[in-house]
Amino acid sequence: DGGITQSPKYLFRKEGQNVTLSCEQNLNHDAMYWYRQDPGQGLRLIYYSQIVNDFQKGDIAEGYSVSREKKESFPLTVTSAQKNPTAFYLCASSERQGTMNTEAFFGQGTRLTVV
Amino acid sequence: GQQVMQIPQYQHVQEGEDFTTYCNSSTTLSNIQWYKQRPGGHPVFLIQLVKSGEVKKQKRLTFQFGEAKKNSSLHITATQTTDVGTYFCAGLTTDSWGKLQFGAGTQVVVTP
Repeated sequence: DGGITQSPKYLFRKEGQNVTLSCEQNLNHDAMYWYRQDPGQGLRLIYYSQIVNDFQKGDIAEGYSVSREKKESFPLTVTSAQKNPTAFYLCASSERQGTMNTEAFFGQGTRLTVV
Repeated sequence: GQQVMQIPQYQHVQEGEDFTTYCNSSTTLSNIQWYKQRPGGHPVFLIQLVKSGEVKKQKRLTFQFGEAKKNSSLHITATQTTDVGTYFCAGLTTDSWGKLQFGAGTQVVVTP
């Protein structure tokens, strides 16, 4: 089955700890994205990557870090510097066609709770 | 930077009625996409618009891209309970290659 997989679905961490959220895709997509969604809110872009070994900050990158060492994988680390990390995190991927990207496919999301 | 604004934030609709949600960008978009997120789920792609003035239909849903490529709309006719969810627009600009930015979404509640 082709798709994009996020794990775990639910994650609990103590305040002050770093935590890494996994995102893997087998769709052979070049572009990958991380979004944060708070209750009743839209999707805010954290980081995005168009090719391997390259990524760009989105609108709310502070307190987060990413890597893109493999095409299939785009893990997100929520660091202790993120002041309000409890949220629903969504990973997505899409193809690139010239200067445009095609539809984005989303994972099921990881619900992070920091206590 | 680019901002994508959506209105209204909430939409309560009687089953059978029509409604429209609007998306406005501060900058010209190369294309715009629409997604639907069911309660407790993840966003699912509905459609992409690329050309100025483009109109596309999917059954009861009609999507439009403005002539200036700065705004878009989604019109749903004869709303059904299956239309419940949050509808997002997402835009790409030519000067922020690959930066897919979403609007805040329109949360739709349908009453029978």
